[in-house]
Amino acid sequence: NAGVMQNPRHLVRRRGQEARLRCSPMKGHSHVYWYRQLPEEGLKFMVYLQKENIIDESGMPKERFSAEFPKEGPSILRIQQVVRGDSAAYFCASSPSGHGANVLTFGAGSRLTVL
Amino acid sequence: DQQVKQNSPSLSVQEGRISILNCDYTNSMFDYFLWYKKYPAEGPTFLISISSIKDKNEDGRFTVFLNKSAKHLSLHIVPSQPGDSAVYFCAASYNAGNNRKLIWGLGTSLGVNP
Repeated sequence: NAGVMQNPRHLVRRRGQEARLRCSPMKGHSHVYWYRQLPEEGLKFMVYLQKENIIDESGMPKERFSAEFPKEGPSILRIQQVVRGDSAAYFCASSPSGHGANVLTFGAGSRLTVL
Repeated sequence: DQQVKQNSPSLSVQEGRISILNCDYTNSMFDYFLWYKKYPAEGPTFLISISSIKDKNEDGRFTVFLNKSAKHLSLHIVPSQPGDSAVYFCAASYNAGNNRKLIWGLGTSLGVNP
């Protein structure tokens, strides 16, 4: 029973390119969350999705960032026209139901480096 | 404005002794609190939690204490082991309409010396 799978583990992009990060939740989990950890900072919530729905995107920058969780396939976090400030570790987590009291299971993260 | 504060960025203890990690919060609407542990290059893993209706929860070497009047919780690890060396995150959740919000502290890096 695989846990939360994220890929790629490491991604290098030049400024202006696009970054796509993928997350497959744990089997049986239908809720996915994306977090970002900037250097020397804690985890910052970005977006919470259920299948085909964005439930809460209050932590997502308004521009260049988007997320989806299609009916089939992994959740995708997409960053367009990346800038150096996007360099961070991006963690995906999943749960069988909503946020909060339920424990989140995290993936190992995708580390994005923007040159 | 950090609603969940872990004021000690790092802590060092001797193997076998007690580790005490602290967390303060400001939002009185928080009703559930969690501790996660994170090793380098890995995602956080759930450690222990406590509901606001309790003041203590124990799981093996790990105990979480909640003082609601002081808006303070702490994680006790006893006895500490070198494998406990990691970053510990405190998180708190509350109902926000049709969604629950989970707010994280910045973490405390624990080093347990053999």
